Amino acid sequence: DTGVSQNPRHKITKRGQNVTFRCDPISEHNRLYWYRQTLGQGPEFLTYFQNEAQLEKSRLLSDRFSAERPKGSFSTLEIQRTEQGDSAMYLCASSPWAQDTQYFGPGTRLTVL
Amino acid sequence: EDQVTQSPEALRLQEGESSSLNCSYTVSGLRGLFWYRQDPGKGPEFLFTLYSAGEEKEKERLKATLTKKESFLHITAPKPEDSATYLCAVQGGGGADGLTFGKGTHLIIQP
Repeated sequence: DTGVSQNPRHKITKRGQNVTFRCDPISEHNRLYWYRQTLGQGPEFLTYFQNEAQLEKSRLLSDRFSAERPKGSFSTLEIQRTEQGDSAMYLCASSPWAQDTQYFGPGTRLTVL
Repeated sequence: EDQVTQSPEALRLQEGESSSLNCSYTVSGLRGLFWYRQDPGKGPEFLFTLYSAGEEKEKERLKATLTKKESFLHITAPKPEDSATYLCAVQGGGGADGLTFGKGTHLIIQP
């Protein structure tokens, strides 16, 4: 049973550029979450999908951020017009139906220059 | 708003020296309290889920306990490979599925 995978693992971009990250959840996990983690802090919740429906968005998710899960399998997180404050680790997690435990992927480290 | 406070922020122990990490929480209707371990540059690794006061769970040298206001992660006779950041998170009963995390306790076990 493979775990949650995320690509790319590292991304360096210049301020103002758009970036997109991909998350592949554990097979048959119908719930998928995105979090952001900065150095010395715990992960902060961004958004949540149940199958293809985006059910919850944090106020941290500004209008420059958009997430999709078009077929209820993998998900993408896009950041438009990146800012230096967007530099962080972006984590994806998934959980199966009727279970609360969330299983995390390795994360994508974003550096905005 | 759900809140989680972990203490201490950092802890250095000698190998074999047992101790406890604290997680205090404020949540409207606890659905679950979660402990994760995180190594540098990696995603959090799931350890335990606790649902109700009085519940305890164990795994190797780790034991997690839960009261109505806090949770403890007890580490018995730790080894250097137990060195990591330990994160506590809560899931509230307000219909939100996202977890609220504390800042973590950075644990170092010296040989």
